Amino acid sequence: GAVVSQHPSWVICKSGTSVKIECRSLDFQATTMFWYRQFPKQSLMLMATSNEGSKATYEQGVEKDKFLINHASLTLSTLTVTSAHPEDSSFYICSASMGQRGNTIYFGEGSWLTVV
Amino acid sequence: AQTVTQSQPEMSVQEAETVTLSCTYDTSESDYYLFWYKQPPSRQMILVIRQEAYKQQNATENRFSVNFQKAAKSFSLKISDSQLGDAAMYFCAYRSANSGNTPLVFGKGTRLSVIA
Repeated sequence: GAVVSQHPSWVICKSGTSVKIECRSLDFQATTMFWYRQFPKQSLMLMATSNEGSKATYEQGVEKDKFLINHASLTLSTLTVTSAHPEDSSFYICSASMGQRGNTIYFGEGSWLTVV
Repeated sequence: AQTVTQSQPEMSVQEAETVTLSCTYDTSESDYYLFWYKQPPSRQMILVIRQEAYKQQNATENRFSVNFQKAAKSFSLKISDSQLGDAAMYFCAYRSANSGNTPLVFGKGTRLSVIA
């Protein structure tokens, strides 16, 4: 099946710094990628939808200036958490779609972010 | 907006027995897709089964099958011959078929325990 790779799996950063998480589709062209955040024992919360070559569409309540999303190519999307604070600590997971109707969405392995 | 409801926060089943996880959804669309994802402790999202709304036949994947009742907007997952490896969080998800770039809408999940 299709493979989506997310890196890093774990990252610890100091409060006030920025951290970048990469999401790559390894064997298909992902016209659309989705970024989710998951708090402990909760479901996945959609943060934003990114389409290759255009600006990301953020969900209501998600700060676009804090969570910068770039989808510069058909195989790579990045999420940058800027000026991170402890409350940004969470599990972030990306997913990718080939863009055709009904195609299954494939998930990356997820990234644990801890801000200290 | 579409919503997905999983009314069972936790379920348990004896090894080798059968368990059914419930899911209902709300939508005004006629064309859509439904999914069950499994999330083990590793947090990797694993596709268990998918159902196209236009298909009347219930999807099956080995020990996993669904009971899709479109009029009732119900999409339950049956796991037969439960195994210890089935223990995980299970998320029911909806995806609109109106375009190729719509995200998954998740329920809150059901934590399944398998008792040896």
